[in-house]
Amino acid sequence: QVQLVQSGAEVKKPGASVKVSCKASGYTFTNYGMHWVRQAPGQRLEWMGWINTGNGNTKYSQKFQGRVTITRDTSASTAYMELSSLRSEDTAVYYCARGRAMDVWGQGTTVTVSS
Amino acid sequence: DIVMTQTPLSLSVTPGQPASISCKSSQSLLHSDGKTYLYWYLQKPGQPPQLLIYEVSNRFSGVPDRFSGSGSGTDFTLKISRVEAEDVGVYYCMQIIELPPTFGQGTKLEIK
Repeated sequence: QVQLVQSGAEVKKPGASVKVSCKASGYTFTNYGMHWVRQAPGQRLEWMGWINTGNGNTKYSQKFQGRVTITRDTSASTAYMELSSLRSEDTAVYYCARGRAMDVWGQGTTVTVSS
Repeated sequence: DIVMTQTPLSLSVTPGQPASISCKSSQSLLHSDGKTYLYWYLQKPGQPPQLLIYEVSNRFSGVPDRFSGSGSGTDFTLKISRVEAEDVGVYYCMQIIELPPTFGQGTKLEIK
């Protein structure tokens, strides 16, 4: 079946970086783009960026421009989201989601930023 | 960015009764290709969001027919004809007519 499996929870110190992976299975990886969306405690869902998994082109939210990098490894059917210069406000659950409709979501990766 | 506003923010419904959630966008979601890029998701407790409705009124695969979506332009509605216990969670509308995609603040559905 179609699924997205994300890497495990992370605890980071302020100023550090985190890289979250999202491994796709059950479909042709390069046929769908991949979004990254985060959800801080008690907050609404927030879009971070997107990658065209076919050619690697990316689009980022202005809010995260300069701090977020989305990449992919087509041989591994895996997308990655790296967020740098972490601060406490980046504590959130991070999700990958497939395609324009975001019809399949990863299980989420909890990132905790704490000194 | 397009602002998505949902009402109500919470509702408590008796099983078997209907429920309705409104979503308004700050600008039209009708694209020049004729499609309207408004989606509905349900996030059950402890789970990621799951797609219910795409392009205003199309039920995603496996979604029960008690869920329906309607609307046009800037005003949209999600209706549940007969609420069941498994429908509890937070409902979000989302637009993706342009980047960045934006979500409503969520409507929490509880069972009485």
